[in-house]
Amino acid sequence: DIVMTQSPDSLAVSLGERATISCKSSQSVLFSSNNKNSLAWYQQKPGQPPKLLIYWASIRESGVPDRFIGSGSGTDFTLTISSLQAEDVAAYFCQQYNTSPPTFGQGTKLEIK
Amino acid sequence: EMQLVQSGAAVKKPGESLKISCKGSGYRFDNYWISWVRQMPGKGLQWMGSIYPGDSETRHSPSFQGQVTISADKSIDTAYLQWHSLKASDTGTYYCARHVVIRSAFDTWGQGTMVTVSS
Repeated sequence: DIVMTQSPDSLAVSLGERATISCKSSQSVLFSSNNKNSLAWYQQKPGQPPKLLIYWASIRESGVPDRFIGSGSGTDFTLTISSLQAEDVAAYFCQQYNTSPPTFGQGTKLEIK
Repeated sequence: EMQLVQSGAAVKKPGESLKISCKGSGYRFDNYWISWVRQMPGKGLQWMGSIYPGDSETRHSPSFQGQVTISADKSIDTAYLQWHSLKASDTGTYYCARHVVIRSAFDTWGQGTMVTVSS
């Protein structure tokens, strides 16, 4: 199985500041058929299901604010929240869907400083 | 509006059976895969398996193969996750999630079903 490792496990950022979460995969998640990276980011608020934010490493899901930016390729990926808002307090998970079984990172808990 | 609505919370004893459901609406149910994902209390997400309701093709995670049964009834737009003999370690929240092809992100999630297994 591909192991997804996120860092840090938790993060506290001031309102309006940038938050950056890293996700590394144990092997490449590049999908050769379309030359895109099979990497998604999800946001999960307490008591709620995960919500898709980013897919193919950098494409924002419809309705997701443009302060959420996905980047990276191969085995190293980043989710950046350019200007933290109070409603962004949540856990964030990366997921690879290139190889079965699809696997998730352990999660990063984002809080307000 | 695309939606997945799951059955309610369940409290069971070890050794009992359970079947939880996930009903889709607002889209063509048999044209999308449904995956089941486990989240143990305070933990991360684990993919358990997927089903394509159109033809009932099923994929299982080796970690869950033989432990659960995944099925679907496309006539009522519903997918199921079933246990024949629950263990305390099955305690957790179970989500269903939709994806357009087997290799794609999960774009719509159910609200989750909390399963508690305790003697």
